[in-house]
Amino acid sequence: NAGVTQTPKFQVLKTGQSMTLQCAQDMNHEYMSWYRQDPGMGLRLIHYSVGAGITDQGEVPNGYNVSRSTTEDFPLRLLSAAPSQTSVYFCASRSSGTGNTEAFFGQGTRLTVV
Amino acid sequence: AQTVTQSQPEMSVQEAETVTLSCTYDTSESDYYLFWYKQPPSRQMILVIRQEAYKQQNATENRFSVNFQKAAKSFSLKISDSQLGDAAMYFCAQGQFQGAQKLVFGQGTRLTINP
Repeated sequence: NAGVTQTPKFQVLKTGQSMTLQCAQDMNHEYMSWYRQDPGMGLRLIHYSVGAGITDQGEVPNGYNVSRSTTEDFPLRLLSAAPSQTSVYFCASRSSGTGNTEAFFGQGTRLTVV
Repeated sequence: AQTVTQSQPEMSVQEAETVTLSCTYDTSESDYYLFWYKQPPSRQMILVIRQEAYKQQNATENRFSVNFQKAAKSFSLKISDSQLGDAAMYFCAQGQFQGAQKLVFGQGTRLTINP
């Protein structure tokens, strides 16, 4: 069982570069989310999606774009990387079924912007 | 706005002893979920235990149990018989009862187990 797969695991970018963090899940989950983890601040929600074609902003959306063309994939795009976006990024998915409360997380992407 | 606060950045405990990690939260919702996640050095987020706010009974999972005080908006995690493998960052989180369940996390508590 693959679960939630994030690629790459590590990435170094130069300021101003763009890139896409990939997230794929094979559990047919409707809900998917992106979080960033910074020291002393826990995880904060960037964007989320409740199904293909539907996305919305979380707590810290500035500088990031998302789209959801399929149920399986939920890529996160950095349009012009800034040092403030240095962080660990987590993708998560969850079923919409009643009683299904557990969010499954990917292994994270450590991004450094220099 | 929902907030989750973990006031203990670091905790340590002797192996086989019991330790309690604190968490307080604030929400205007009447129905919600509370979670404790463990993050070992591998970075993987592992669900330890969950609590439905409408249930008065405290959740337990083997050596892990919670003390849920809804009126006080407190949700502490007790780890009994601590083991070396329990060493990790622990995050308290709150999520919506319905919908996308956008999770709000606390700052985390780093737990060290002393042999």
